[in-house]
Amino acid sequence: GPKVLQIPSHQIIDMGQMVTLNCDPVSNHLYFYWYKQILGQQMEFLVNFYNGKVMEKSKLFKDQFSVERPDGSYFTLKIQPTALEDSAVYFCASSPTGERNTLYFGAGTRLSVL
Amino acid sequence: TQTVSQSDAHVTVFEGDSVELRCNYSYGGSIYLSWYIQHHGHGLQFLLKYYSGNPVVQGVNGFEAEFSKSDSSFHLRKASVHWSDSAVYFCAVSGYNQGKLIFGQGTKLSIKP
Repeated sequence: GPKVLQIPSHQIIDMGQMVTLNCDPVSNHLYFYWYKQILGQQMEFLVNFYNGKVMEKSKLFKDQFSVERPDGSYFTLKIQPTALEDSAVYFCASSPTGERNTLYFGAGTRLSVL
Repeated sequence: TQTVSQSDAHVTVFEGDSVELRCNYSYGGSIYLSWYIQHHGHGLQFLLKYYSGNPVVQGVNGFEAEFSKSDSSFHLRKASVHWSDSAVYFCAVSGYNQGKLIFGQGTKLSIKP
């Protein structure tokens, strides 16, 4: 089936550094999402993005977070600066226009902030 | 307040057994319910969904779920599990045609040979 690719699968950085998580969504999807999953806890919505704009964000989407998809390339999540509590697995997802409720997820990027 | 509760953190059954994974929700307005499966080291994969119509919906690999408005539930069932069904299962709720899903805590299904 359609696949969402996430690069890298694991990222280790020092607290205070900047990190960019990359996502290659399903090619004809127009809605994109980031979710956060701390080990052993449930998946939590961060943000959704459409037509170059953030449509909705949760309280977990701190001011240090930003998303973009320049010129149809990767959909990215940038954290600057990182904090220890940002350590988690970040999942990218996309959905088609007619079925926005049906999300296709990537395998996740495990972010470890030291 | 929109919430999803999966009461069982871990369920263990033998291969060939039937299984039911429980999901209860609290949501105002038009509701869209779905189940996702997450195999170890992979992202979530869509299993099935319900929005309206027949309260019993069929998904892939023999899974089905039943919506109950009176019980605020959307339990997932399978008549005969296979070892490859070992995974974590997430129930999710959202408004119609909205991609912001609220997930439950997940239920880890383990299959004994």
